[in-house]
Amino acid sequence: SQQGEEDPQALSIQEGENATMNCSYKTSINNLQWYRQNSGRGLVHLILIRSNEREKHSGRLRVTLDTSKKSSSLLITASRAADTASYFCATDPGGSYIPTFGRGTSLIVHP
Amino acid sequence: DARVTQTPRHKVTEMGQEVTMRCQPILGHNTVFWYRQTMMQGLELLAYFRNRAPLDDSGMPKDRFSAEMPDATLATLKIQPSEPRDSAVYFCASSLEGQNTEAFFGQGTRLTVV
Repeated sequence: SQQGEEDPQALSIQEGENATMNCSYKTSINNLQWYRQNSGRGLVHLILIRSNEREKHSGRLRVTLDTSKKSSSLLITASRAADTASYFCATDPGGSYIPTFGRGTSLIVHP
Repeated sequence: DARVTQTPRHKVTEMGQEVTMRCQPILGHNTVFWYRQTMMQGLELLAYFRNRAPLDDSGMPKDRFSAEMPDATLATLKIQPSEPRDSAVYFCASSLEGQNTEAFFGQGTRLTVV
């Protein structure tokens, strides 16, 4: 079974809107990472948040982590059509430092 | 421009044939991961190496899959014999030290077994 699960599975928004994706996981972790995958391409790392951090920003991305609820969220502000992709969270179950992925959220941003 | 290089990008083969996928990790990275991506299972970890030593290959079907790192610049994933259910995209990723650092992914090898 997957360690991390993203929600929703699919998200469709208009350009300029914010997109929020959530990730829930099951075991203790050292870190949680978010990746992006364009169709037919490899995964690109977006942001890593450590278990002792609660929030992190990178450009239009904001990631939060709540270890008590074993959940994280990725917020993309002022979305663009170019943000259309699948977004994955990866945790390291049991603090293993081995990235284990959820099934991803498919984001479509309409121009 | 440091990146993980995978070859071939695409491979079509007949059932029963041997398939070898190659990965060149980023120079200096000492941890290498192999993942398989399918629609049904998502991204599954097959194996990973640290300092060229295999640390975990529990995700890999042992009877037909094998992973090696002949040297620090090359990781290989071999399937022998291949089966249609092996059709997937296989990704290699590398990272430094493997602790709280990001994994860099290659573009993947899309394998089709007919």
